Amino acid sequence: EIVLTQSPATLSLSPGERATLSCGASQSVSSNYLAWFQQKPGLAPRLLIYDASTRATGIPDRFSGSGSGTDFTLTIRRLEPEDFAVYYCQQYAISPGTFGGGTKVEIK
Amino acid sequence: QVHLVQSGAEVKKPGASVKVSCKASGYSFSSYGISWVRQAPGQGLEWMGWISGYNEITKYVEKLQGRVTMTTDTSTSTAYMELRSLRSGDTAVYYCARAGYYSGGSWYPGALDYWGQGTLVTVSS
Repeated sequence: EIVLTQSPATLSLSPGERATLSCGASQSVSSNYLAWFQQKPGLAPRLLIYDASTRATGIPDRFSGSGSGTDFTLTIRRLEPEDFAVYYCQQYAISPGTFGGGTKVEIK
Repeated sequence: QVHLVQSGAEVKKPGASVKVSCKASGYSFSSYGISWVRQAPGQGLEWMGWISGYNEITKYVEKLQGRVTMTTDTSTSTAYMELRSLRSGDTAVYYCARAGYYSGGSWYPGALDYWGQGTLVTVSS
């Protein structure tokens, strides 16, 4: 099983600032099959990035993903008010398709 | 457009079983798989397993082996997740999501791109 570790657990930032979220894998994620999701309270997660760096349909270009192997990053270039939420990474290269523990991006 | 619509909330007693449905529309059901993910109150996301929409190949997380069964009904484009011997720790919102696709005789990994609205399952005596 691939264990994903997200850091930090909480990120306190102001609107307009840049957010950098990390996701580390216990072993290499083949073909960079790594996704990022955004979740707001009471709602289902929303796919932001797949294959480590490809934006999903309709996702604004202020969201970007990078990385390969065991180290991945989600960057939100300039935080909008609607971006304050919890973010999860997930690998779908091998079963089980494990999730990271999440990073909460909160308003400072 | 792609939609996944899940069945309604359930309240079950410890030891009982629950079966959650997920009806898909807007795409070829047999060309994709369905993953099930759960989220306990205030907790993170937990991947439970995956089933193909084509030939019911399944993959389950080890901790749920023996208690979970995932099935599909291709005639209605519906996926089902049954969890047995329920305990309080199974209280969670259960989500289905489209994942993986079938092409040229093989299955390929795919991100969970469309999600159902979630089904709250409460286990309480």
